[in-house]
Amino acid sequence: DSGVTQTPKHLITATGQRVTLRCSPRSGDLSVYWYQQSLDQGLQFLIHYYNGEERAKGNILERFSAQQFPDLHSELNLSSLELGDSALYFCASSVAAVRGDTIYFGEGSWLTVV
Amino acid sequence: ILNVEQSPQSLHVQEGDSTNFTCSFPSSNFYALHWYRWETAKSPEALFVMTLNGDEKKKGRISATLNTKEGYSYLYIKGSQPEDSATYLCALNSGYSTLTFGKGTMLLVSP
Repeated sequence: DSGVTQTPKHLITATGQRVTLRCSPRSGDLSVYWYQQSLDQGLQFLIHYYNGEERAKGNILERFSAQQFPDLHSELNLSSLELGDSALYFCASSVAAVRGDTIYFGEGSWLTVV
Repeated sequence: ILNVEQSPQSLHVQEGDSTNFTCSFPSSNFYALHWYRWETAKSPEALFVMTLNGDEKKKGRISATLNTKEGYSYLYIKGSQPEDSATYLCALNSGYSTLTFGKGTMLLVSP
């Protein structure tokens, strides 16, 4: 158990809908990262928050947004969903935002858009 | 865009075989290299974080080496067991704390 908790584990929704994925980082970790794993793609970085502030953006679509709350949990909001958004979404956390920190991953949230 | 390559894409070995995989990365963009072990339906498990050229790390039967000058890392598994079956991922820290992942090597160990 990595200590990173993600909910829901599985989600099926229709095109055009909006969903929210939730992540609780390991106790004491200030950084939260979101990654997307699609078919035939490696893990793709979406966005990074550190202590409530956005620190870096990767290949995140404009239809997607995220935030980190004062209690350090994070949510990833996916809207106007398309079939191609079906993927495994990982949340990860680390103590700080230092290169070389070990980054711990949750089990992921499987999103299926039908 | 950083390119992290892993080979082979997949590997099937017999129990007791030793095996190794390769992770290649641009040597000019190196700060740290991470190895993860990922079993389906579980979270990727951090194995090693390596930062120094020539670094060697070991965890049980799994070990890794790093060559930052030529841009590669090897992961070795000695005496593979069925429970080693998983996808092994490497990821690069370059200019920032986020990770750029390779596509992984899928290992299947048959009894």
